[in-house]
Amino acid sequence: TQLLEQSPQFLSIQEGENLTVYCNSSSVFSSLQWYRQEPGEGPVLLVTVVTGGEVKKLKRLTFQFGDARKDSSLHITAAQPGDTGLYLCAGDSGGYQKVTFGTGTKLQVIP
Amino acid sequence: DTGVSQDPRHKITKRGQNVTFRCDPISEHNRLYWYRQTLGQGPEFLTYFQNEAQLEKSRLLSDRFSAERPKGSFSTLEIQRTEQGDSAMYLCASSPGPRAEQFFGPGTRLTVL
Repeated sequence: TQLLEQSPQFLSIQEGENLTVYCNSSSVFSSLQWYRQEPGEGPVLLVTVVTGGEVKKLKRLTFQFGDARKDSSLHITAAQPGDTGLYLCAGDSGGYQKVTFGTGTKLQVIP
Repeated sequence: DTGVSQDPRHKITKRGQNVTFRCDPISEHNRLYWYRQTLGQGPEFLTYFQNEAQLEKSRLLSDRFSAERPKGSFSTLEIQRTEQGDSAMYLCASSPGPRAEQFFGPGTRLTVL
């Protein structure tokens, strides 16, 4: 069974602070996705990374895929209250595209 | 197109009752996935369809669970003889093909009393 461990599990920060969320596995993934989920809603895709070492930026969010394609990080600069939510990484091991979701990081940004 | 829709959004049932959920994917998406998510955790894969064919079922999908996609469009997930441990959010997602982005619906929250 492929497991994706996220850390930290919970994060409560003040508006304007920076933060990094980590997603780690012992398995290699052909691609990795990051999602944000708000209460009572389904996850919404933020980004997909496919190449080892790849870095993608989405406004104040920076995503990195590890060189060995086993881990990833999400860095948020100057967090805003609108960034509050559950952040999920999900790995695709290829083939028929069954993704395995991580354990999630619940972020709260306090105004 | 309004995205993936799920019905109902909330369901409260008594232990032992049967429940059925419906998912309407984005039109022309030939892949449809079901996931289960408990509070504070990531979604867990249950099963997926390529058109009307069910191609994989997770071990989480006990014999009390059955999913169908009879015409390759909408899908239903039925849980028979519900147990309190079935309480969770049931999420549906669709995608236009393999290795493509999955679009999630809002989920059906099931509470078994």
